[in-house]
Amino acid sequence: QKEVEQDPGPLSVPEGAIVSLNCTYSNSAFQYFMWYRQYSRKGPELLMYTYSSGNKEDGRFTAQVDKSSKYISLFIRDSQPSDSATYLCAMSVTGGSYIPTFGRGTSLIVHP
Amino acid sequence: NAGVMQNPRHLVRRRGQEARLRCSPMKGHSHVYWYRQLPEEGLKFMVYLQKENIIDESGMPKERFSAEFPKEGPSILRIQQVVRGDSAAYFCASCRDHFQETQYFGPGTRLLVL
Repeated sequence: QKEVEQDPGPLSVPEGAIVSLNCTYSNSAFQYFMWYRQYSRKGPELLMYTYSSGNKEDGRFTAQVDKSSKYISLFIRDSQPSDSATYLCAMSVTGGSYIPTFGRGTSLIVHP
Repeated sequence: NAGVMQNPRHLVRRRGQEARLRCSPMKGHSHVYWYRQLPEEGLKFMVYLQKENIIDESGMPKERFSAEFPKEGPSILRIQQVVRGDSAAYFCASCRDHFQETQYFGPGTRLLVL
């Protein structure tokens, strides 16, 4: 079992839809949870990070962490074609080098 | 403020040649991480460096791969005697300190081994 599981998709939605992207993990020591967006042929761009359980909102994006279920989500409201990209979840433990473990990414396509 | 820079953006090598990938972190950042991304796979950590020090190289293959981050100049990831399996996108990321929730990635170097 991989430490971080993420469905690669692709996930295809119409413009304006609410998108839900998810990751599950097995290491209960993970404390920091991050979401990156990666456009084709580009480097990942940090979207949001959260610490431990709870919700965090930033504009159209909401990150949610449920440590009891080892499950994290990223919600995108009013999705736009420009949101079409691969979304990578990442997480790390506290202390040490904080090296993140990445999911393989979910490809999202928002069509007009 | 310039972002993380990587060069070259594309590199083609024949089997057995050496590949040198360079990464200049963001201004004020002294921590550099190298990752490899294979098709259909996520980012895999390779090595974490600070100026003149390798902090964590647990993700580096034991042979043919090396990395450095000198006091002056960019960080360099060196792959000796490349094989076709080394073909991948290599990304570096930098951050200001080791609390890396704000890790900034470069555009990557795409290595193709013929």
